This record gives sequence, C-alpha cells and structure tokens, in this order.
Amino acid sequence: DGGITQSPKYLFRKEGQNVTLSCEQNLNHDAMYWYRQDPGQGLRLIYYSQIVNDFQKGDIAEGYSVSREKKESFPLTVTSAQKNPTAFYLCATMGQGTGNQPQHFGDGTRLSIL
Amino acid sequence: SQKIEQNSEALNIQEGKTATLTCNYTNYSPAYLQWYRQDPGRGPVFLLLIRENEKEKRKERLKVTFDTTLKQSLFHITASQPADSATYLCALDRFSTGANNLFFGTGTRLTVIP
Repeated sequence: DGGITQSPKYLFRKEGQNVTLSCEQNLNHDAMYWYRQDPGQGLRLIYYSQIVNDFQKGDIAEGYSVSREKKESFPLTVTSAQKNPTAFYLCATMGQGTGNQPQHFGDGTRLSIL
Repeated sequence: SQKIEQNSEALNIQEGKTATLTCNYTNYSPAYLQWYRQDPGRGPVFLLLIRENEKEKRKERLKVTFDTTLKQSLFHITASQPADSATYLCALDRFSTGANNLFFGTGTRLTVIP
C-alpha cells in the first residue's frame, strides 16, 4: 500500500531533550517536506529536500535539523533550541516535475512538552 | 514576503447549499494554486490545482476559479453534504523564487449543517 508513514503519532518531549520524528515514503518521490501546524495557523515550512543528501531551510528552520540519507526517509529532529515545540508536524512528498504537482501528506505527529 | 488570506476562519452552511471559500494573496504572482482538504488529526489531502492561465477548474461537485488580476481564488462546493465538513486550505507555489515548495493559507473550517 503506497503512502507516507509518520511515527510516532504522539510524542512527548522533556525540557532540554532532542526528539526525532520519522517520515518514510514508498511513493518513489524525490522531494520531501516538513511542516509545522499550530492551532488557527496554516502549515509553515520547516525544511525540505529535493534529492538525497541535499536539503534546504524553509521559513521556520531554527531549532530543527534534518537528514536525507535515503530517498525513502526524511527524519526531523526537534532540538532543545526549539523553545516552543508543541505542534502538529506533517511530512509531505511531491513527485517528479516542478510547477504542477500536488503534495502527498502523512497523518502527522503531535508533539507535546512534558 | 508572500501572504495568503482565507476569507474566514469558520463557515457554516445548510446542507444542499453551495459553499464558497475565498483565498486572497499578495506580494506574489503564483504560476498555480492548489486546494486541499484536512480532517481533524489527519494530513491534508489534495483536491484541485489551477494554473494561472486557467479561469476555472471543475471536479464533480467542486469548482475552483483563479483571478490573477484580483489575486484571488474561489473554491465552491455545490450541493454540500455533512461529509464535506472539514478545513480547506489553499496553497500557492513559490517556484519563481527558485524554491520548489508551496506556501499555505491558514484554512477555512467548513461545517455543513444537516
């Protein structure tokens, strides 16, 4: 069954702790994205990657880090430097070609502070 | 920087009526605009894409218009049903800035009352 798998569904972080959110896809898409969604706000882009071993900062990259060692995987680490990490985190992919491709989303990870 | 405004945070309509959602943008001229549906606790799902040279796009009970002069897109759901209740997000591309990603609005929460 093709799609995007985000895990865990719920995650709790202690003060000063780094946590990593997983995003795996089997759609064979090159581009992958991480968004943060807060109540009453739209999706804000954290990081994105257009190809393996390459990634770019989005609009709110501070306090986050990513890696793209495999095409299928794009993990997001929320570091202790992110002072307000409580949010709904969404991973997305996009297929080949620019300009007219929809994005496909996972079902998110909800991160809370203990 | 780009800015997107979606007409209202929440919209309530009676079943069977047409729902009209508005997406206005400033400081940018996107090549295309997309609409997504998001259910609570889930990732957004792509609905429709419209290009700058297209005035209107239809898919079943959905219709999207794109007015590049007014910098506005309208999203219509005809013969609305309670199952249409969800948050609807518009997104525009940022490819002309060299960035292969989307910029999302804050969304409109639609409730269809039986």
